[in-house]
Amino acid sequence: DAKTTQPTSMDCAEGRAANLPCNHSTISGNEYVYWYRQIHSQGPQYIIHGLKNNETNEMASLIITEDRKSSTLILPHATLRDTAVYYCIVRDLNAGNMLTFGGGTRLMVKP
Amino acid sequence: GAVVSQHPSWVICKSGTSVKIECRSLDFQATTMFWYRQFPKQSLMLMATSNEGSKATYEQGVEKDKFLINHASLTLSTLTVTSAHPEDSSFYICSARVGTGSTGNTIYFGEGSWLTVV
Repeated sequence: DAKTTQPTSMDCAEGRAANLPCNHSTISGNEYVYWYRQIHSQGPQYIIHGLKNNETNEMASLIITEDRKSSTLILPHATLRDTAVYYCIVRDLNAGNMLTFGGGTRLMVKP
Repeated sequence: GAVVSQHPSWVICKSGTSVKIECRSLDFQATTMFWYRQFPKQSLMLMATSNEGSKATYEQGVEKDKFLINHASLTLSTLTVTSAHPEDSSFYICSARVGTGSTGNTIYFGEGSWLTVV
């Protein structure tokens, strides 16, 4: 799977939008972009995934650039409970099923 | 989303004993499950891929005789840490794949199991 690059940490004010960037410049045409988050001492939680179109669900929005070399996860109204490590993962569904985790972004939502 | 449950949530065992961790898919059938290990302040590391009815595939550096994986049904996979040592103390997390093919193929994780070997 293609390697991703994320900032190590970010802060966000409670109630504001949290925009988490991810670079995946070597992504191939068959690879999807997945986002998970891990709250301390819990298993990762699935957030959203997409291939090339922007996606939105009840948790977040995923914006993928036209060249697909980067994406942004948007939490529209961050709450204190959104404090977690957010992982951006690129995955080829045809080549394998596992998820390879990088370092992720530690998001701290502050009151 | 789909629910994956692990048991126990935490366990303390004596050095040299074996510990079994269960991973269940509660509302779907999972032909493939994955086992990860996570040390404090580190990311998740894939240990092995568990396929129902066949032998697990282990990642490089993971001892298959020490970490026994059994995926006997479509809803249950077990990880047994044999002859546990303090360095095996870690957070063990399982996950299961929902769906097949290139769409609807999402992986969901269990709550994790803390193992402390004393």
